Amino acid sequence: QSALTQPASVSGSPGQSITISCTGTSSDVGGYNYVSWYQQHPGKAPKLMIYDVSNRPSGVSNRFSGSKSGNTASLTISGLQAEDEADYYCSSYTSSSTLKVFGGGTKLTVL
Amino acid sequence: EVQLVQSGAEVKKPGESLKISCKGSGYSFTSYWIGWVRQMPGKGLEWMGIIYPGDSDTRYSPSFQGQVTISADKSISTAYLQWSSLKASDTAMYYCARPRRGSSGDAFDIWGQGAMVTVSS
Repeated sequence: QSALTQPASVSGSPGQSITISCTGTSSDVGGYNYVSWYQQHPGKAPKLMIYDVSNRPSGVSNRFSGSKSGNTASLTISGLQAEDEADYYCSSYTSSSTLKVFGGGTKLTVL
Repeated sequence: EVQLVQSGAEVKKPGESLKISCKGSGYSFTSYWIGWVRQMPGKGLEWMGIIYPGDSDTRYSPSFQGQVTISADKSISTAYLQWSSLKASDTAMYYCARPRRGSSGDAFDIWGQGAMVTVSS
């Protein structure tokens, strides 16, 4: 069981927007602005898409955005494109001895 | 270019030992933590632990404490993940990754290519 809870799958059609949620506790997501999101295509290493809740690294499309409310963080992808089809993982700093936790991952299917 | 280059795929038998590596380049290796992440076949990412090569300060996820050892040799800008006695359940892809800033809790913006470890009799 992962420390952060994500839906197993989401889907959307090209051009649509989707949102992936990531629910934790006040010891991780809710307590710190250190939520990040990663994209992973099959057979590839994860890629950082969002850091510190809502910041995009250089080179990441502005179609990707992040937010947080209470113990739940969200990743929104607007204007869905075929290449967005991938697994997405959230992660957060945690005050527990674990230090960092990941969500279980969400498979995004572009219909 | 900032990059992490990991050692190659390994095939081992249960009970054998193993040490895999992650070499950093293009940045000050002693100024950034290096973390390790496990991904079992068809499963999600699991944070294993992290080391600060500057002083070898190491933190482990409770799930991996005692199961693996994380170390680093700053003279050759290389971090390591090792097992003393492998189990079939250690079969996984292992990634090293560097946080984007100096904090151990920061997001990982640089990832190695991964090292597949297969443990089978």
